[in-house]
Amino acid sequence: EVQLVESGGGLVQPGGSLRLSCAASGFTFSSYDMHWVRQPTGRGLEWVASIGTAGNTDYPDSVKGRFTVSRENAKNSLYLQMNSLRDGDTAVYYCARGPMWYFYMDVWGKGTTVTVSS
Amino acid sequence: DIQMTQSPSTLSASVGDRVTITCRASQSIGNSLAWYQQKPGNAPKLLIYKASTLESGVPSRLSASGSGTEFTLTIISLQPDDFATYYCQRYDSYPLTFGGGTKVEIK
Repeated sequence: EVQLVESGGGLVQPGGSLRLSCAASGFTFSSYDMHWVRQPTGRGLEWVASIGTAGNTDYPDSVKGRFTVSRENAKNSLYLQMNSLRDGDTAVYYCARGPMWYFYMDVWGKGTTVTVSS
Repeated sequence: DIQMTQSPSTLSASVGDRVTITCRASQSIGNSLAWYQQKPGNAPKLLIYKASTLESGVPSRLSASGSGTEFTLTIISLQPDDFATYYCQRYDSYPLTFGGGTKVEIK
């Protein structure tokens, strides 16, 4: 069964850091682009970061320079290092798989909640 | 950046109704559009990709069409399982963007 399981969410103060992880199983992780998408409570979806099979990365301006996506294919794991966190980063963070050659998301994890508050 | 605008934001309908949701792109995106369904407390689920291709397992009462800047998702006979929020997403290039969502609620 194809599965993505996020972890690492929690409560952090503004200006703090947090590292999210996503454990993948049931597919050849190294062959797929991977994405992070977030959703503030009661709001819509926002793309946060992507990493290709070659390790190439992309970010929206809202997180560029603060967030870093990485992957460790030997461990079938995806990561999101989040620094200089702000109140506006509070959201459920989803890990998602992207099919080869395309940037949509065909498999999603259940999400992990990040709360930025003093 | 290319913006995605969905309408309506909320749609009230009854079981058996035909409903249509529209997604408009501020510039042409070809057929690089996906649709997702999300139920409260759950992750989004892929329904449609390449503007009109149904993901495996998605019921045939859902259909989608469009290209360029205007796209539609249609449910021909609304079922209880279809009451949810629907999002479009363009994926022609980065930055990836989602529409604001359309909540389909029971009338």
